[in-house]
Amino acid sequence: EVQLVQSGAEVKKPGESLKISCKGSGYSFTSYWIGWVRQMPGKGLEWMGIIYPGDSDTRYSPSFQGQVTISADKSISTAYLQWSSLKASDTAMYYCARGYSYGRTDAFDIWGQGTMVTVSS
Amino acid sequence: QSALTQPASVSGSPGQSITISCTGTSSDVGGYNYVSWYQQHPGKAPKLMIYDVSNRPSGVSNRFSGSKSGNTASLTISGLQAEDEADYYCSSYTSSSTLVFGTGTKVTVL
Repeated sequence: EVQLVQSGAEVKKPGESLKISCKGSGYSFTSYWIGWVRQMPGKGLEWMGIIYPGDSDTRYSPSFQGQVTISADKSISTAYLQWSSLKASDTAMYYCARGYSYGRTDAFDIWGQGTMVTVSS
Repeated sequence: QSALTQPASVSGSPGQSITISCTGTSSDVGGYNYVSWYQQHPGKAPKLMIYDVSNRPSGVSNRFSGSKSGNTASLTISGLQAEDEADYYCSSYTSSSTLVFGTGTKVTVL
């Protein structure tokens, strides 16, 4: 079964760092782009960026460039989203998702279950 | 990159057809045939319903169809069913090699 499994919910304080993960299985992890999508409470979907695990080619939304870092470790079929200094406004559900076809970045066919990140003092 | 514009809500009775619009610019929707649609039920991850403007992934009901004219894409749900009640989001590839989502539409089955 093709699936993406994300790490569990996190509760952090402002200023703390965080790295959440997304592990792929059931397919060739290095052949499909992995994207990250933010959904703030009660709000819509926001595209954050995308990475190609095969060569770590990464692209960011201008809104998130410099605010987060996307990375991948192809040896363990895992992509990551990290923050160096969290803010309360980072509180949201974060989804990882797979590009629906080889080389395609414009649609996502497999989604992780989401990781809820809560930042509160 | 501004979000694509969708109506906040659309409603219909069971069996009816409804259409959700998604308006962008020539730098996204109008410039590429890379428009997708997602369905999201409360508390669930989004599900791909349409890609490349009008293609359905395997397993998606043929009651869902997509189209595009100029800078506006549309998702039509025919034979509306109770299970179709959800939030729907469009997305488009952009000239900056990024992706942008729509503002989202809540579909209510009356």
